[in-house]
Amino acid sequence: AQSVTQLGSHVSVSEGALVLLRCNYSSSVPPYLFWYVQYPNQGLQLLLKYTSAATLVKGINGFEAEFKKSETSFHLTKPSAHMSDAAEYFCAVSETRGSTLGRLYFGRGTQLTVWP
Amino acid sequence: DVKVTQSSRYLVKRTGEKVFLECVQDMDHENMFWYRQDPGLGLRLIYFSYDVKMKEKGDIPEGYSVSREKKERFSLILESASTNQTSMYLCASSPSGSSYNEQFFGPGTRLTVL
Repeated sequence: AQSVTQLGSHVSVSEGALVLLRCNYSSSVPPYLFWYVQYPNQGLQLLLKYTSAATLVKGINGFEAEFKKSETSFHLTKPSAHMSDAAEYFCAVSETRGSTLGRLYFGRGTQLTVWP
Repeated sequence: DVKVTQSSRYLVKRTGEKVFLECVQDMDHENMFWYRQDPGLGLRLIYFSYDVKMKEKGDIPEGYSVSREKKERFSLILESASTNQTSMYLCASSPSGSSYNEQFFGPGTRLTVL
């Protein structure tokens, strides 16, 4: 089975500072990778996904992530944090390519706090 | 827009009760999923279904069962609720055909078992 590790269960930044949320996956074959965001009392919403078209993926709300095969990483970044970015963020990896079942494996999540 | 709805946002049940959580999606997706979310543990897959009347166990199926009689509806059943099933339950759906298809989530049901 695939697995995902998110380093840091809590990250705090000041408004306007760089946001960096870390995600490493374990797979011998590059999978598809996803970042989701969850605002309080809501379901998960897709931020962006990597499907091998480009290693730097841009998502909604100014977030982007870079796929680095050599480091098995897919870290999420945003140049300047906003108060509205405070939420929980989940990294997820797909089944191996070729599977049609659509199962995702989620990391444990990173809670982002943004200070004024 | 894809819409996944869950029958209740908040639910309070007593130990031993039979509990039904309903999920409906309106985008004709083949795949549907039930997760539970607990602080520090992320999302854990309970069951999923890739077609009507088909189901597969996820990572934590014990104490749960599911039903999928129609394509758009996927039900999670707690046969005899216990306090350790107090959690947030999330339903999701996705189209079949490729593992790069993202999942679309409902708003969640926060279940408390007393």
